Amino acid sequence: DSGVTQTPKHLITATGQRVTLRCSPRSGDLSVYWYQQSLDQGLQFLIQYYNGEERAKGNILERFSAQQFPDLHSELNLSSLELGDSALYFCASSPQGRGNTEAFFGQGTRLTVV
Amino acid sequence: GQQLNQSPQSMFIQEGEDVSMNCTSSSIFNTWLWYKQDPGEGPVLLIALYKAGELTSNGRLTAQFGITRKDSFLNISASIPSDVGIYFCAGQLWGRNDMRFGAGTRLTVKP
Repeated sequence: DSGVTQTPKHLITATGQRVTLRCSPRSGDLSVYWYQQSLDQGLQFLIQYYNGEERAKGNILERFSAQQFPDLHSELNLSSLELGDSALYFCASSPQGRGNTEAFFGQGTRLTVV
Repeated sequence: GQQLNQSPQSMFIQEGEDVSMNCTSSSIFNTWLWYKQDPGEGPVLLIALYKAGELTSNGRLTAQFGITRKDSFLNISASIPSDVGIYFCAGQLWGRNDMRFGAGTRLTVKP
């Protein structure tokens, strides 16, 4: 158990809908990363937050947004969903936002858009 | 530029054999991490490297941070069936916050 909790584990929704994925980082970790992993693909970096502020942005679509709350949990919002958005979405947390850091991953949320 | 090139893409080996995989980039990295992912699970951190030239072991796993800061390798000795999975390298670019992943090496171990 990495200590990173993601909910829900599975999500099935229709095209055009909006969903929210939730991540609770390890106790004490200030940094949260979101990644998308399509079938048999690598991990695509979406966005990083550190202590409530956006720190880095990757290949995140405009239809997607994220935030980190004062209690350090984070949410990834996916809107106007398309079939191609079906993927595993992972959250990872680390103690720091920059420099020597180790990131620990949650179990992921499997999103299926039908 | 910021791409991580991981090779090989896949490996099929016999139990007991040694394995070697690597990641290269044209950019300088501050940190190299190696992860293993089992099907349907999140990646699990195996080894973290922070200094150029650093060589670190974790049981049968050994990883090194290249002297140029642009590459890293992971070796697995005396492979066993439970080593099966996808191995990812990840790196944090010098002066940046985000962490980028290689495409992964899919390892199959035949008993």
